[in-house]
Amino acid sequence: DGGITQSPKYLFRKEGQNVTLSCEQNLNHDAMYWYRQDPGQGLRLIYYSQIVNDFQKGDIAEGYSVSREKKESFPLTVTSAQKNPTAFYLCASSSTGRDSPLHFGNGTRLTVT
Amino acid sequence: GQQVMQIPQYQHVQEGEDFTTYCNSSTTLSNIQWYKQRPGGHPVFLIQLVKSGEVKKQKRLTFQFGEAKKNSSLHITATQTTDVGTYFCFNAGNMLTFGGGTRLMVKP
Repeated sequence: DGGITQSPKYLFRKEGQNVTLSCEQNLNHDAMYWYRQDPGQGLRLIYYSQIVNDFQKGDIAEGYSVSREKKESFPLTVTSAQKNPTAFYLCASSSTGRDSPLHFGNGTRLTVT
Repeated sequence: GQQVMQIPQYQHVQEGEDFTTYCNSSTTLSNIQWYKQRPGGHPVFLIQLVKSGEVKKQKRLTFQFGEAKKNSSLHITATQTTDVGTYFCFNAGNMLTFGGGTRLMVKP
């Protein structure tokens, strides 16, 4: 089945540690995205990538980093510089064209204590 | 960047009642997409509207795009408990912006 896989579903980390969230897609989509969702809130864009080896900052990129070395993979690192990292992180992908629908993974719920 | 405002933030309805959520932008939108997120789940694409004044239907759901392409609405007729979730509008635009969402709760 084609889709987007985010792992793990739940992640716990101590404050001050960097943590990397995995996102893999086998939909052959060019574009990939990371969104953050806080309880009862909407989705805010962290980073997006429209092509391999290229990515752009979204609204809330501070404290995060990404890489896009392969078309299928778009890992997100939450660094210790992110002041409030506890949140639900959603990865998405879409085919070429900025107006193509987004396909989301199941998300990773990160808790930092 | 473009701001997409969505109202209401919450809506409680009795099963069988209708429900509407509205999405408004201060600038013209190239298109509008609607997503549904069930509690604990991830957003799922419902539909895309592109043309001015466009109306699309999916069973009990009716989607509209305003004539000026600055607003959109999603109307659900005779809500069911399976409609529970948060409905988001989305515009790719310049900043890939989601509206804040409308959380629909349905009392059986």
